[in-house]
Amino acid sequence: DAGVIQSPRHEVTEMGQEVTLRCKPISGHDYLFWYRQTMMRGLELLIYFNNNVPIDDSGMPEDRFSAKMPNASFSTLKIQPSEPRDSAVYFCASSFSPSYGYTFGSGTRLTVV
Amino acid sequence: EDQVTQSPEALRLQEGESSSLNCSYTVSGLRGLFWYRQDPGKGPEFLFTLYSAGEEKEKERLKATLTKKESFLHITAPKPEDSATYLCAVHSGGGADGLTFGKGTHLIIQP
Repeated sequence: DAGVIQSPRHEVTEMGQEVTLRCKPISGHDYLFWYRQTMMRGLELLIYFNNNVPIDDSGMPEDRFSAKMPNASFSTLKIQPSEPRDSAVYFCASSFSPSYGYTFGSGTRLTVV
Repeated sequence: EDQVTQSPEALRLQEGESSSLNCSYTVSGLRGLFWYRQDPGKGPEFLFTLYSAGEEKEKERLKATLTKKESFLHITAPKPEDSATYLCAVHSGGGADGLTFGKGTHLIIQP
């Protein structure tokens, strides 16, 4: 298995632009998680899905953030409009059972200038 | 609210010098405690899961232990390739399935 695949690896965008991050989970994993990592706050859970349904989005910082999972093999995290404080590394992770931990992707480093 | 505190924030050791990393946690019912390793520019990589106080797990030079309030990651005779950030996370019984992470310990092993 290729693991959790995220794209792009790096994204530089101007303030106010729309940004879309993509994730392909491991086949057979029913759970998908989006995390954000910064030096100040560490890893923070943004939202997670179970069987393509959003379960908990309480970590999504503002209405500018939205996430979708149209099918079992694809998810997106969208920021519109983007702001400099959104600069961070965004990780996607998947799991067949959270009690056994997650597998993380390599992350997308987002820089908003 | 679940809380995870890791110490120290950073640790520099000589090759072969054993030490321990600490993870203190406050949760409403622990369903699992996880240790991950993160290398620069990469996603966290799973190391261990511990489920109940008294449990221990080992992998090469690493050994994780768990009590009711904290977990330790013991590193025995480390090598430079053990240099990484080590993250602790908890899965609580609060109903949600997201893991709560600590901020990590940045470990450097000098040859």
